[in-house]
Amino acid sequence: GESVGLHLPTLSVQEGDNSIINCAYSNSASDYFIWYKQESGKGPQFIIDIRSNMDKRQGQRVTVLLNKTVKHLSLQIAATQPGDSAVYFCAELGGYNKLIFGAGTRLAVHP
Amino acid sequence: DGGITQSPKYLFRKEGQNVTLSCEQNLNHDAMYWYRQDPGQGLRLIYYSQIVNDFQKGDIAEGYSVSREKKESFPLTVTSAQKNPTAFYLCASYTGRESPVYNEQFFGPGTRLTVL
Repeated sequence: GESVGLHLPTLSVQEGDNSIINCAYSNSASDYFIWYKQESGKGPQFIIDIRSNMDKRQGQRVTVLLNKTVKHLSLQIAATQPGDSAVYFCAELGGYNKLIFGAGTRLAVHP
Repeated sequence: DGGITQSPKYLFRKEGQNVTLSCEQNLNHDAMYWYRQDPGQGLRLIYYSQIVNDFQKGDIAEGYSVSREKKESFPLTVTSAQKNPTAFYLCASYTGRESPVYNEQFFGPGTRLTVL
């Protein structure tokens, strides 16, 4: 069945370092992937997305990489800041616009 | 302002009672979703709807029901059949992959349901 999962449940980084959050997906037919950031007690906030016809997409301080061969997705955050501390989710758009989320990775940024 | 709203923010109910959570969007989005989130966990899909008068079960639909009579509204009813309803409920809307605005999707602020 369709599923999206994450390799690391918790990631601790020093302020100013780069962060990499990984995600694996199982449905090779998925054509759209999204990264969300969720702060405590709030709804997820869209960060960046990528279509399956792309390998890389860059935003402000964030980059998403897609490797369709191994069905792997990653989110890179450059110069991580304390305000980046949150839980990050990857999501996969399947058939009938079914949006499926992974388990999430908690990013903790230390001064 | 366009957006997606959920009400109430906090909801308490007695065991055995049904309760309906509201979700409204004025973004003209076709697709809408309900997710459940337990503490320290990810989002699990309850129900989703691609279009008015149509909806599909997600991964954890048992004990829940929905309706989609209007494009703007996708209410979720938590029934007494749901064994462990205490959770954070999130509603989302999305243009749908068929739309030229491919990446427009938003989440509401969530409703925290507590069963007493």
